[in-house]
Amino acid sequence: AAGVIQSPRHLIKEKRETATLKCYPIPRHDTVYWYQQGPGQDPQFLISFYEKMQSDKGSIPDRFSAQQFSDYHSELNMSSLELGDSALYFCASRLQGAGSNSPLHFGNGTRLTVT
Amino acid sequence: GESVGLHLPTLSVQEGDNSIINCAYSNSASDYFIWYKQESGKGPQFIIDIRSNMDKRQGQRVTVLLNKTVKHLSLQIAATQPGDSAVYFCAENRGNQGGKLIFGQGTELSVKP
Repeated sequence: AAGVIQSPRHLIKEKRETATLKCYPIPRHDTVYWYQQGPGQDPQFLISFYEKMQSDKGSIPDRFSAQQFSDYHSELNMSSLELGDSALYFCASRLQGAGSNSPLHFGNGTRLTVT
Repeated sequence: GESVGLHLPTLSVQEGDNSIINCAYSNSASDYFIWYKQESGKGPQFIIDIRSNMDKRQGQRVTVLLNKTVKHLSLQIAATQPGDSAVYFCAENRGNQGGKLIFGQGTELSVKP
């Protein structure tokens, strides 16, 4: 079965640079979630989109922005990168119509390293 | 603040034994709980879920127990195998919050052959 696809798998950037992470949800899934996971930490919710509109916002820095496109893929844009932004970034998707009590399906993440 | 947390950060078991991973939550409004398994370099993988109107749910070799009275969740893995070695997270959906999940601190399960 098709899963959530994230690209790139690895990304190395310098401080103050920008980065764009991409997420392709499972086909027919209409909701996308972004999570950040630091080393040895649990995933922290950043932001979510439903039908191309922002549906919820968590601990996402103002330097970050995201959007969901007409084909339901999503991009997380990160500017003025800081060393502390180094982390794994996961995208997850679900079908909203299945109700809020349905699991999120995660991609394998993008490992961002800021030097 | 409110959070989902695990009692033990690490758990080591012998192959073939049963494993029990615990999780405490503090938000009584949470109505849906999920256990995820995360292997190194991979994203969280769905294992099993349970709704708040249930006390127990069984899957293949896994059972989740929910005790709403003490806000406690556990994952039982029967006949633990080396392939079960991973970090396990519980996550909760806090009612009307659009389906986002709040994760607790993971427990690293290590299976000794």
